[in-house]
Amino acid sequence: DAGVTQSPTHLIKTRGQQVTLRCSPKSGHDTVSWYQQALGQGPQFIFQYYEEEERQRGNFPDRFSGHQFPNYSSELNVNALLLGDSALYLCASSLPRLRGTPLHFGNGTRLTVT
Amino acid sequence: KNEVEQSPQNLTAQEGEFITINCSYSVGISALHWLQQHPGGGIVSLFMLSSGKKKHGRLIATINIQEKHSSLHITASHPRDSAVYICAVRGETSGSRLTFGEGTQLTVNP
Repeated sequence: DAGVTQSPTHLIKTRGQQVTLRCSPKSGHDTVSWYQQALGQGPQFIFQYYEEEERQRGNFPDRFSGHQFPNYSSELNVNALLLGDSALYLCASSLPRLRGTPLHFGNGTRLTVT
Repeated sequence: KNEVEQSPQNLTAQEGEFITINCSYSVGISALHWLQQHPGGGIVSLFMLSSGKKKHGRLIATINIQEKHSSLHITASHPRDSAVYICAVRGETSGSRLTFGEGTQLTVNP
């Protein structure tokens, strides 16, 4: 049973460019959340997708957008990259309506903006 | 002030020592998670708590809802326990989004 998979694992982009990160949730999970983790800090919630719609959003600008596909996989898009967007981007999947089920995280995509 | 505060930020121990990591939060919660993050970045869920105490192997997690405090204990620590331990809470009114602490870097020396 594959857990949460994220691609790519590492990415280097230049300021002003656009990037797309991908996430496949754990089998059976239908909800995907994205987090940004700057070096030495805890993850910050970006947004959550369920039934192909953004359900919740953290304090991130509109440059951050996402999508969820019918197979529950998800993409995170960041436009007009800034140096400050350099971070580890984590995807987590869950089945919230089943109480007591833990979150499952991917290994993350490390984005470096130069 | 962060909604979730962890202490200590860094902890160095000798193999075999008993370790405690603390987490305090300021909001009403529906659940609290303890997570482990290794240098590669991947995060593993250790516990999800809404009350009381849970034990898994050498790991024990407790929560006091009235005092808004949780602790993670590691008994008979081992170098392979070296990692960042992160506390995260799900607020009563925040759906399933998590708010994370900054993490505790644990190093266990042989």
